[in-house]
Amino acid sequence: SSELTQDPAVSVALGQTVRITCQGDSLRSYYASWYQQKPGQAPVLVIYDKNIRPSGIPDRFSGSNSGNTASLTITGAQAEDEADYYCNSRDSSGKPWVFGGGTKLTVL
Amino acid sequence: QVQLQESGPGLVKPSETLSLTCTVSGGSVSSGSYYWSWIRQPPGKGLEWIGYIYYSGSTNYNPSLKSRVTISVDTSKNQFSLKLSSVTAADTAVYYCVRATVVGALDYWGQGTLVTVSS
Repeated sequence: SSELTQDPAVSVALGQTVRITCQGDSLRSYYASWYQQKPGQAPVLVIYDKNIRPSGIPDRFSGSNSGNTASLTITGAQAEDEADYYCNSRDSSGKPWVFGGGTKLTVL
Repeated sequence: QVQLQESGPGLVKPSETLSLTCTVSGGSVSSGSYYWSWIRQPPGKGLEWIGYIYYSGSTNYNPSLKSRVTISVDTSKNQFSLKLSSVTAADTAVYYCVRATVVGALDYWGQGTLVTVSS
């Protein structure tokens, strides 16, 4: 089981805003990173540290943190954003890194 | 542009040792700014961190796999490697080699290689 908890599935209408959340005690101390994974492909880093987008990631992706919850927000979701999204962070329980179980995003 | 490429057998027999190598181009495994990592993903499931190695050779492994895992680095070839012993069907997964920053962001991933454990 994951020490970071994500909703298994979320849907959003094309062009609307969606928030994907990640909960865990480690998030009170460490920022989450977020990854997008499309079928048959390796994950891609979309957000890291406080709210930093790697080069090439559209600015419709943003991240935030509050207490034990990290959020990935997609403002104006596009069809190509349909994918699985994973969060990860450092952890204080013996594993340097832990992952959430992933959220499948469907763009309607 | 940093690129990582996994290589190794796609089929391993139960109880044997899984061995994979990651070749890094466009960057150096000798850089002190990164952790060179292995992550796996069983078919249809989520991501699991296996472990990482620092350029100095220091390692850190997932406690659930620690007794079976060895990660090593070969700076002369700009490669790092994974060995997982006593494999079972539960170790069947896509294995990724990944570069991680010091803040824990996994910024470059290999394409992944499927390893199937079966007799």
